[in-house]
Amino acid sequence: DGGITQSPKYLFRKEGQNVTLSCEQNLNHDAMYWYRQDPGQGLRLIYYSQIVNDFQKGDIAEGYSVSREKKESFPLTVTSAQKNPTAFYLCASSMPTVDKNIQYFGAGTRLSVL
Amino acid sequence: DAKTTQPNSMESNEEEPVHLPCNHSTISGTDYIHWYRQLPSQGPEYVIHGLTSNVNNRMASLAIAEDRKSSTLILHRATLRDAAVYYCILEGANAGKSTFGDGTTLTVKP
Repeated sequence: DGGITQSPKYLFRKEGQNVTLSCEQNLNHDAMYWYRQDPGQGLRLIYYSQIVNDFQKGDIAEGYSVSREKKESFPLTVTSAQKNPTAFYLCASSMPTVDKNIQYFGAGTRLSVL
Repeated sequence: DAKTTQPNSMESNEEEPVHLPCNHSTISGTDYIHWYRQLPSQGPEYVIHGLTSNVNNRMASLAIAEDRKSSTLILHRATLRDAAVYYCILEGANAGKSTFGDGTTLTVKP
């Protein structure tokens, strides 16, 4: 099936630890995104990438890092510099030039701090 | 970046129509209006989008004001499965410019 796959579904981080969230898409989309969602709130953009080997900071990039070495993959690392990482993380992809930038979302990763 | 304003919550009875409003007074001429909905503990899913004309699809209808400063998502017959958070966002030509606000939480009563 075509779509966005995020893993793991649940993740726990210890103090001072970096963790990496996986996001893979087989939709052949150029653009990919990472969002953070806190309880009862909307989505906030962390990073986005419009093309392989290029990415831009979103509204809340501090404490996070990404890479885009392959078109289908856009992993997000939550570093120890992110002091409040507990949240629901959502990955999305889109094809801006074709599909009016309709975003397709994964099922999310819920990150908690031990 | 252009922002949207939506009511925090709305209620509807099952089988009745629902009109979800969105204000976007700073919309630019090339911005598309997109609607998504998010069920609990899931990622958002696309519902509908439009530029100037009203749009219909199997999920909903989108009515866009003539001045494009507001729009309304219409669910013709609400079901319990339509209970979700609905987001109205503006999409420009390039990725990364849209902003998801807090959306409208729709409660559907049986």
